[in-house]
Amino acid sequence: AQSVTQLGSHVSVSEGALVLLRCNYSSSVPPYLFWYVQYPNQGLQLLLKYTTGATLVKGINGFEAEFKKSETSFHLTKPSAHMSDAAEYFCAVSPPFSGGYNKLIFGAGTRLAVHP
Amino acid sequence: EAGVTQSPTHLIKTRGQQVTLRCSPISGHTSVYWYQQALGLGLQFLLWYDEGEERNRGNFPPRFSGRQFPNYSSELNVNALELEDSALYLCASSSDRAGQPQHFGDGTRLSIL
Repeated sequence: AQSVTQLGSHVSVSEGALVLLRCNYSSSVPPYLFWYVQYPNQGLQLLLKYTTGATLVKGINGFEAEFKKSETSFHLTKPSAHMSDAAEYFCAVSPPFSGGYNKLIFGAGTRLAVHP
Repeated sequence: EAGVTQSPTHLIKTRGQQVTLRCSPISGHTSVYWYQQALGLGLQFLLWYDEGEERNRGNFPPRFSGRQFPNYSSELNVNALELEDSALYLCASSSDRAGQPQHFGDGTRLSIL
């Protein structure tokens, strides 16, 4: 069975500092991988996704993530945090075949705080 | 372009009651997904509808059901409400049956007293 672990339920950074949100997955085959962001009182927004091909994926709002098969990781980074990045971030996986592709399995989420 | 819209935004019910939540996908999207975001349990997949058919179901009891209409909007019905059904219910849509839910609504917050 697939699972997702997000290390750190809360991460706090200074404005302008590097953002690093960690995600590790457990899967018998390399899954499809996703990062979503949820702002307060809103739904989720897809930040980026990895399916196949280049392992470094660029997303919206300056975020990127790198798929490392050897480490079963898909960490999310942003070089310079902005106050508007404060939100909850969810890593998710889905099996790489039709039928299961639509059943996302989410991590528990990491709440990112950005302070001046 | 209007996003995924959900109604109502908030609901308060009591144990044993029934509730219907509604979702309108982005225009042109044929797939609708329902997720439950409960405190302490995270986001859990509930249901996936595409072209009017239920295509996949999460690990929820049968009292959670739904349907998709010809215009691709969807309803989620929960019968015999229990306290643990208190959660934010999120709807999402996508234009591709093989795709992932890309666009989420802001959710319906259901509180069970």
